[in-house]
Amino acid sequence: DAGVIQSPRHEVTEMGQEVTLRCKPISGHNSLFWYRQTMMRGLELLIYFNNNVPIDDSGMPEDRFSAKMPNASFSTLKIQPSEPRDSAVYFCASQGKVTYEQYFGPGTRLTVT
Amino acid sequence: AQSVAQPEDQVNVAEGNPLTVKCTYSVSGNPYLFWYVQYPNRGLQFLLKYITGDNLVKGSYGFEAEFNKSQTSFHLKKPSALVSDSALYFCAVRDHSGAGSYQLTFGKGTKLSVIP
Repeated sequence: DAGVIQSPRHEVTEMGQEVTLRCKPISGHNSLFWYRQTMMRGLELLIYFNNNVPIDDSGMPEDRFSAKMPNASFSTLKIQPSEPRDSAVYFCASQGKVTYEQYFGPGTRLTVT
Repeated sequence: AQSVAQPEDQVNVAEGNPLTVKCTYSVSGNPYLFWYVQYPNRGLQFLLKYITGDNLVKGSYGFEAEFNKSQTSFHLKKPSALVSDSALYFCAVRDHSGAGSYQLTFGKGTKLSVIP
């Protein structure tokens, strides 16, 4: 199993640009989570999906952030427009129907200048 | 609401000595408890979990953790530390009752440094 796949691994962009982060969960997993990690705030849950449906997006910082899961094997997290304070490592994680633990991808390091 | 506390930002231990990384939790119902490890520039890697049953759970790389309900703790332990164990360790809790029960709440992490 390839594990959770995220792309790109690194993204450097200028303030005001649109950024799209991508995630492919582990095959057969039905829950998907987006997290953000910074030194100041630690690991924060942004949004999670169950069976492709968003369940809780209360962690999404503001309207500039949006997430979609059009099918069971793909999700995107979009920031438009991006700001320097969005600089962080963004992780995607997935969880199976009969397992309790989440499996994390390698993350996308976003730098907004 | 659920919460996790990792009281130590950093733990230093000599190679070969036993190590303990502390974690306490708060949930309204029964907890599911997890430990994850993060190496530099990597994602979080699952180590072990407590769901039910035996209070002592064993996981990857020789790590184990003991669930103590009365003290609401789930400390991570290893009998003999290796330099390669140096990493950031996260404790997480999930309340498996009610809505939002898929959500994990993570502690702030403890940096473990094993000194040769």
